[in-house]
Amino acid sequence: DVKVTQSSRYLVKRTGEKVFLECVQDMDHENMFWYRQDPGLGLRLIYFSYDVKMKEKGDIPEGYSVSREKKERFSLILESASTNQTSMYLCASRGHPGGYTFGSGTRLTVV
Amino acid sequence: SQQGEEDPQALSIQEGENATMNCSYKTSINNLQWYRQNSGRGLVHLILIRSNEREKHSGRLRVTLDTSKKSSSLLITASRAADTASYFCATDAGRASGSRLTFGEGTQLTVNP
Repeated sequence: DVKVTQSSRYLVKRTGEKVFLECVQDMDHENMFWYRQDPGLGLRLIYFSYDVKMKEKGDIPEGYSVSREKKERFSLILESASTNQTSMYLCASRGHPGGYTFGSGTRLTVV
Repeated sequence: SQQGEEDPQALSIQEGENATMNCSYKTSINNLQWYRQNSGRGLVHLILIRSNEREKHSGRLRVTLDTSKKSSSLLITASRAADTASYFCATDAGRASGSRLTFGEGTQLTVNP
């Protein structure tokens, strides 16, 4: 079964910490995405990547960065976590021209 | 602005009834997709309908697409309690959007046993 794996289901971090959210896919997909999901706001795209070492800003990239050193791994980095980054983070990958395969999500709480 | 907007925001039905959810969008699309999300989990891809298709079936799911009205509907027939979840439509505008999907805010479906 094809999979997208997010390293943590739940995380609690302190304000100002640097936070790494990891995502790994085993489908050899070129496209990978990071979304955050908040009540009333739906899914909002943070960053995406078409290929290794390539990245594109989504709709809400401020306060985040990404890394894609290998095709299967796409990392989301919160440079200095803030309370307004408390959210559910969803990673997805996509082969063309199909749908997304999502990971199970990481619920991040910043205190 | 939201590309896909689902209607209704919440729907509560009895087991065995049909559930219909609607999605409207604003721009031209390459395809439209529906996803399901169980509480606190990731989204699961249900079905994809291309812009040149009008209707598609998958098991108890039926999706229609009307590109002239920029709308789609998802019908779940003979619903079960296990169908309780949030359902999202997502639009793919093709190369114009870099093949990224834009999601609506979802419809929360509750199927009562």
